[in-house]
Amino acid sequence: GIQVEQSPPDLILQEGANSTLRCNFSDSVNNLQWFHQNPWGQLINLFYIPSGTKQNGRLSATTVATERYSLLYISSSQTTDSGVYFCAVEDDYKLSFGAGTTVTVRA
Amino acid sequence: DAGITQSPRHKVTETGTPVTLRCHQTENHRYMYWYRQDPGHGLRLIHYSYGVKDTDKGEVSDGYSVSRSKTEDFLLTLESATSSQTSVYFCAISPLAHQETQYFGPGTRLLVL
Repeated sequence: GIQVEQSPPDLILQEGANSTLRCNFSDSVNNLQWFHQNPWGQLINLFYIPSGTKQNGRLSATTVATERYSLLYISSSQTTDSGVYFCAVEDDYKLSFGAGTTVTVRA
Repeated sequence: DAGITQSPRHKVTETGTPVTLRCHQTENHRYMYWYRQDPGHGLRLIHYSYGVKDTDKGEVSDGYSVSRSKTEDFLLTLESATSSQTSVYFCAISPLAHQETQYFGPGTRLLVL
């Protein structure tokens, strides 16, 4: 199956800082999604982005499918951005998840 | 929020006992999934369903079975629970074949002693 690697594994930010999370995948994909898991465990879909760039408020994502990576940008981070961010790619009609990046935003 | 509920939300059981987790949706979505989440592994697919009575295995299906007798319910059964099945279990739903958007339930924490 497709291997999904996320970096960094952990990230500590001061409120207001910007950051970039990376997702590398081992094969071409038709579907790539970013999720946020908040500290209470709820998983929220952030982006469906198999290619190109999308923005949603302070978050944006870019996928370069030909080079097999995706980036998630967090700008002007807030404490509510804390949690784990997962990248997931479609592998034979099923989603394969990376291990996640744990983000802690300090006030 | 998508209408997905999971029950129970927490369960403690003993090794060797059967356990059934329920996922219920009110969205009439065709696709339903069961994942487990363990530290360092992200989420891993256990089983999924692409319609009533249509199911298939995921990457970690050993020791688990599923059933879907109606659109809104997807059951995950641990026939004989083991300590390695201690985990957080998430149900997800999706309306589309290529999983364009997948919505997750609140999760069930299972502890097998």
